[in-house]
Amino acid sequence: KQEVTQIPAALSVPEGENLVLNCSFTDSAIYNLQWFRQDPGKGLTSLLLIQSSQREQTSGRLNASLDKSSGRSTLYIAASQPGDSATYLCAVKPLGTGANSKLTFGKGITLSVRP
Amino acid sequence: NAGVMQNPRHLVRRRGQEARLRCSPMKGHSHVYWYRQLPEEGLKFMVYLQKENIIDESGMPKERFSAEFPKEGPSILRIQQVVRGDSAAYFCASSPPGQGGGYTFGSGTRLTVV
Repeated sequence: KQEVTQIPAALSVPEGENLVLNCSFTDSAIYNLQWFRQDPGKGLTSLLLIQSSQREQTSGRLNASLDKSSGRSTLYIAASQPGDSATYLCAVKPLGTGANSKLTFGKGITLSVRP
Repeated sequence: NAGVMQNPRHLVRRRGQEARLRCSPMKGHSHVYWYRQLPEEGLKFMVYLQKENIIDESGMPKERFSAEFPKEGPSILRIQQVVRGDSAAYFCASSPPGQGGGYTFGSGTRLTVV
């Protein structure tokens, strides 16, 4: 059974700092991995999608990497801003379960960027 | 291009009533997923549907919960005889046909049982 872990559960950093959010998963047989952002009381916004054949994806100040063999992904946020404060979730999509299949989510990392 | 539309955004029900949550997937998306988010527990998969078919309902409670995705109209998650423990945020996601597409989530329905 796939398990996705995100540690720490919460993180507080000063504005301008570069930071790395970690995600680990127990079963490396994944099809892809997706990072989401969730603001309080809101839905999930997709940030980056990495296919299993890819090593990383970039969008603006965000860079996500994937090391499937070690079961790890990182989300790098450059020059953090107070507007980056949110909960960041990673989710993996398994192999071998049909054309589309359910994601397994970590519990998320709640990031607070202090002005 | 509207995203995944969920309604209502907030729903209050008394214990024993029925709750109906609606989800319209993104245009071109044929797969719908329902997830429940409880405080401190993260997002948990409930059910995966395609038009007129339930593909995987392994996350659905055995009683009181049902889901459908009819040929016409939105997907419906139905909770009968709600209890306080059903209070949660319910999210719907959709994805395109094929394996490589990512998921797009709706804004969720926050159900409160009083």
